Amino acid sequence: RKEVEQDPGPFNVPEGATVAFNCTYSNSASQSFFWYRQDCRKEPKLLMSVYSSGNEDGRFTAQLNRASQYISLLIRDSKLSDSATYLCVGPRGGYNKLIFGAGTRLAVHP
Amino acid sequence: NAGVTQTPKFQVLKTGQSMTLQCAQDMNHNSMYWYRQDPGMGLRLIYYSASEGTTDKGEVPNGYNVSRLNKREFSLRLESAAPSQTSVYFCASSEAQEGWQPQHFGDGTRLSIL
Repeated sequence: RKEVEQDPGPFNVPEGATVAFNCTYSNSASQSFFWYRQDCRKEPKLLMSVYSSGNEDGRFTAQLNRASQYISLLIRDSKLSDSATYLCVGPRGGYNKLIFGAGTRLAVHP
Repeated sequence: NAGVTQTPKFQVLKTGQSMTLQCAQDMNHNSMYWYRQDPGMGLRLIYYSASEGTTDKGEVPNGYNVSRLNKREFSLRLESAAPSQTSVYFCASSEAQEGWQPQHFGDGTRLSIL
């Protein structure tokens, strides 16, 4: 099992839809996760941190399920501007290092 | 508020040439990182520096060297460029010395090796 694994998508959804992505992880001791957003040919940008059971920021909700070893990202009321690749990120081995998933691509259409 | 600054933004090299990618951060972060990103793949860690004066290999260090010049600057050097090193290179920094904190990225260097 990969350390961090995501469905590559693409997820094609209409504006206003609710969409959810899952990310599975292999290290059961992991406690810190992040969701990043990456636009085409741009740098990854931090979207949300998930340190405990979950986090909510406006239309975005991230949840951590330790029993099943996955984290999820829920986007409500999708906007055209949400179209991007979403990267699931978890701890790698020793301190300071993170491992990035390959990303899930979201395309929101009118 | 510059954050993480990378230079150059684009570069084309011939096989065998050498070059240094520069990275500087103004957030007083302890840790700095170099990644490469290839199409369809996640970010892969090349080297990192947990603090000034220390550097360690990541998962794909072959063909690269790094220097943590001071707390602000972390450079990546390709001694003899190969076509397999064609990629987008991202530098990142993090406040963390222990534990796991989010990393903040520069806008990348797009490198092509002919």
